[in-house]
Parts: sequence; C-alpha cells; structure tokens
Amino acid sequence: QSALTQPASVSGSPGQSITISCTGTSSDVGSYNLVSWYQQHPGKAPKLMIYEGSKRPSGVSNRFSGSKSGNTASLTISGLQAEDEADYYCCSYAGSPTPPVVFGGGTKLTVL
Amino acid sequence: QVQLQESGPGLVKPSETLSLTCTVSGGSVSSGSYYWSWIRQPPGKGLEWIGYIYYSGSTNYNPSLKSRVTISVDMSKNQFSLKLSSVTAADTAVYYCARDRGASGYWYFDLWGRGTLVTVSS
Repeated sequence: QSALTQPASVSGSPGQSITISCTGTSSDVGSYNLVSWYQQHPGKAPKLMIYEGSKRPSGVSNRFSGSKSGNTASLTISGLQAEDEADYYCCSYAGSPTPPVVFGGGTKLTVL
Repeated sequence: QVQLQESGPGLVKPSETLSLTCTVSGGSVSSGSYYWSWIRQPPGKGLEWIGYIYYSGSTNYNPSLKSRVTISVDMSKNQFSLKLSSVTAADTAVYYCARDRGASGYWYFDLWGRGTLVTVSS
C-alpha cells in the first residue's frame, strides 16, 4: 500500500481554524472508519489525538475534531493556540494483505 | 499508568543486526486486547510501521521489511523485542514501540514509548 497523502505544511493565526487533509484510496480511508491522527512535537513521540475517524481520547482538547468524506479524512483544529504548532500524521487501517496500517507523510502546522 | 520504554544500542554497524527491547510497565504484554508494535521514523521523515506481535506469539510484518524483521515477546519479563538484520544507513531512525488496538479491531496506537535513535554507521 502507498502512503496516505497529506499537505506538507499548513499555517494559521492564533484563534483561527485550520484543516489538514489526508487522502487515501478506496482500499483504506474510503473503506473503513478507522483513521487516526497523531500530533508530534519536535523530539517527542507521537500522541494520539483522534481515533476511529472522529473520536477523541480522554484529555484531548475538543478543539480537535476529525471527519471523513469519500477517500479523504480531515483533522480540524479550531481556536489555534501556539502549543498546537507541531507535525501531524494521519493513519488508516488498510485491511489485508499487510501492512494493516498506512501512515500519511505528515503535515507541519505553523501557528503564525 | 501503563508506560513503554525502548532500550538497546544506539549505534549499529552496517550489515549487522539491530536489536531493541520494549519494556511494558504498569500493564501486561499478555493482555489480549492489544497488539504490540514497532514503528520507526528516519530523521526528518515520516512514520513507518514495522510490525506487531500478539501475546500468543503471532506476528505481522511490513512486507517491505519482512525478510529482515523478527519480533518476539517475553511474557516473563513483560517485554517485546525487535531484531532487524543486515542493516544499512537507510535503517537509521528513531524506533518507537507502541500499543496497538488492532487486536480489538480498532487499529490505532494509543500509547507510545519515548523512542530511541539508532544510527547505522561503521
């Protein structure tokens, strides 16, 4: 399976909303509601932000939301804050054969 | 709370075998709810899933690495391990161990280790 496609970078000002897209195929994103999103600050491990397309783990701000349309999943961050500046990765279940999961190439979010 | 911690050599010579261990604390690697995965990230690049193991010993590997990868579990030590043979400079990366909800059909990584940088160089 090929990696999912994400924009290399997005930016926004504090308080604004931004959306990061994650485009796959009918074999992964389009077939399953099993997209997850991860936030990674420099030198740190990824942190789960969204799972099963739109669910937030306990402790994750409700400013983060996920959605899907067709073969494209999206992560929206509202009320941008300086601490949101990080890399964001999407990941989708891809069924069989292996690998069962594929990652996007990552998006660098800059808070202006 | 459950924590994962990677350990192993930070420098491996080309053609040798990379060996890493992930120790699970505050929880049990024998939980039937999880797969235990290895994921890597070359410097400045994205994430690549390497493979996972279930407590029963069943494994699943990325086809791109399958011929060189072995993942094993030691329930007595509450650890799982990664071996990657015949390494080259392209295997230089931060290696993460992660807890994977795939065993429950959900397919996301809800817990990660801090990662360990492995450099392949002579």
